[in-house]
Amino acid sequence: AQSVTQLDSQVPVFEEAPVELRCNYSSSVSVYLFWYVQYPNQGLQLLLKYLSGSTLVESINGFEAEFNKSQTSFHLRKPSVHISDTAEYFCAVIDTGNQFYFGTGTSLTVIP
Amino acid sequence: SQTIHQWPATLVQPVGSPLSLECTVEGTSNPNLYWYRQAAGRGLQLLFYSVGIGQISSEVPQNLSASRPQDRQFILSSKKLLLSDSGFYLCAWSLSGGAANSPLHFGNGTRLTVT
Repeated sequence: AQSVTQLDSQVPVFEEAPVELRCNYSSSVSVYLFWYVQYPNQGLQLLLKYLSGSTLVESINGFEAEFNKSQTSFHLRKPSVHISDTAEYFCAVIDTGNQFYFGTGTSLTVIP
Repeated sequence: SQTIHQWPATLVQPVGSPLSLECTVEGTSNPNLYWYRQAAGRGLQLLFYSVGIGQISSEVPQNLSASRPQDRQFILSSKKLLLSDSGFYLCAWSLSGGAANSPLHFGNGTRLTVT
């Protein structure tokens, strides 16, 4: 079985500063990787996904994530955060058995 | 396009009362359906998933049950709620057929408080 580790449970960052949310997964076999965002009292929304091809994937609101197979990582980055980016972020993995595995989440708080 | 509806949005129930949460998906056929629970400050716990009508797999033994009476309807139930059942319940769907590139799509969740 897979495991997904989000190393930071809480990340405070000042507005317009860069941020990196870390995600590592356990297996080196083929996987598909996702980042989800959850705003307060809402469901999870898909932010971006890596299926194949370019290891750098981008979302429409300025986030990007890079798949690093050798380090089994899929860290999420944004060069300049906004107040509206305050939310819970979840990393997820599907393995070859089509089973979803979620990290425990990282709470991003953007400070004005 | 596909949409997922989950209701109610919030629910306050006394200990020992029954529970019924409903989820429906529109715009797709034979989806995989899931119930997750998210306890305060914790990650997502998969409770049940279904690959078809009447086919339910339970991931965690507890006093909850799930049913899929129709292709795009998924119901989470309990006969007697416990305090520990409080949490945020999320329904989700994905494409069927083992499509490995199909992400999960979530409903807006139900906040359940057992008093």
